Amino acid sequence: GNSVTQMEGPVTLSEEAFLTINCTYTATGYPSLFWYVQYPGEGLQLLLKATKADDKGSNKGFEATYRKETTSFHLEKGSVQVSDSAVYFCAPQAGNMLTFGGGTRLMVKP
Amino acid sequence: NAGVTQTPKFRILKIGQSMTLQCAQDMNHNYMYWYRQDPGMGLKLIYYSVGAGITDKGEVPNGYNVSRSTTEDFPLRLELAAPSQTSVYFCASSYPPLAGGYTGELFFGEGSRLTVL
Repeated sequence: GNSVTQMEGPVTLSEEAFLTINCTYTATGYPSLFWYVQYPGEGLQLLLKATKADDKGSNKGFEATYRKETTSFHLEKGSVQVSDSAVYFCAPQAGNMLTFGGGTRLMVKP
Repeated sequence: NAGVTQTPKFRILKIGQSMTLQCAQDMNHNYMYWYRQDPGMGLKLIYYSVGAGITDKGEVPNGYNVSRSTTEDFPLRLELAAPSQTSVYFCASSYPPLAGGYTGELFFGEGSRLTVL
């Protein structure tokens, strides 16, 4: 089955700083790749996705590129805001099943 | 626009008690899932269902049971609660692959926080 390794948090940044959250995965074949975000007290919601190699998913200023060679899907944002404080989950998909990483907590200070 | 609705949001159980976590979705999704999230950990799949009358085990099914009598509802039952089942439980739903509207996205409920003492 699939497995995911995410950088451990918490990641603490000042507002407007650059964000990178690393994600690498092992999988059979070439799964679709997802980033989900969980805001405090809420369920997970889809942030972005990429379905094939070299695809770039983007949403709300976040980006991630599907790197087949390095089996990675790192999440980036050029300028974080306090409202981005949340837990971020990387998740490769096999069939209709997602395998979630352990999550990375991001804390953005004003 | 309800989406996925879970009840209750919070519950405290004593060891050995039983309870059912309710999950309902109004998006006509065939696929439904139950996950648990332990502190600082990712989500682990407990059970899933690909349609009414069909259920299957996920990664951590022991101590739980499910049923799927309708497309809308997917309750999760804990028969003999144990402290190890203290967790936050999330229900999710999605379209099946190849279906119209399929994007691979899972739609999550807000979670049910269960404490077993």
